[in-house]
Amino acid sequence: DAMVIQNPRYQVTQFGKPVTLSCSQTLNHNVMYWYQQKSSQAPKLLFHYYDKDFNNEADTPDNFQSRRPNTSFCFLDIRSPGLGDAAMYLCATSRDPEGSYEQYFGPGTRLTVT
Amino acid sequence: DAKTTQPPSMDCAEGRAANLPCNHSTISGNEYVYWYRQIHSQGPQYIIHGLKNNETNEMASLIITEDRKSSTLILPHATLRDTAVYYCIVRPRARPGSQGNLIFGKGTKLSVKP
Repeated sequence: DAMVIQNPRYQVTQFGKPVTLSCSQTLNHNVMYWYQQKSSQAPKLLFHYYDKDFNNEADTPDNFQSRRPNTSFCFLDIRSPGLGDAAMYLCATSRDPEGSYEQYFGPGTRLTVT
Repeated sequence: DAKTTQPPSMDCAEGRAANLPCNHSTISGNEYVYWYRQIHSQGPQYIIHGLKNNETNEMASLIITEDRKSSTLILPHATLRDTAVYYCIVRPRARPGSQGNLIFGKGTKLSVKP
């Protein structure tokens, strides 16, 4: 029944070593989002895809990239992780950004940088 | 920046109603009030949203004041599993070219006690 799936749930990477987090959805939603949530803080939007159109938030560091090869999958690439990038990364989907459609979140991937 | 103000924490006895307040005094006419919650180590979960009228679903009720400057989320019979951080978010109705993204504030940590 899982609708938004994130793999892996826990990821450990070394300082400066590229890492990719994955998200898949079974909802056939147009929009996929990536959020970063640091310890004891609220989720913060990094970027989102509306179909194939990529929309970056103004303050998202260049170190963070994303790919969406098809409707179901979206990837978050961190090119050179720093210690400050340790966080929970949340993927979410919504049917369409227009109107008042809610977002469905995955369980998150907790990234540790050593 | 988040456009809402919530108390940082609240306690509620199991089986009683939990009433979570939210101030959004600068809300504009096309903005909805959304509530999400995040149980520890999980992704946020949509609860309910409204524009002007009170709303009810299987999870909760949302009461919006007539001037729309504040609202209250009501969990009618709180259980231990309702312990979570509850986020009140003001979001404009999305339209072409504007995604109406969720901007999370600090939320209210609700602790339901036996």
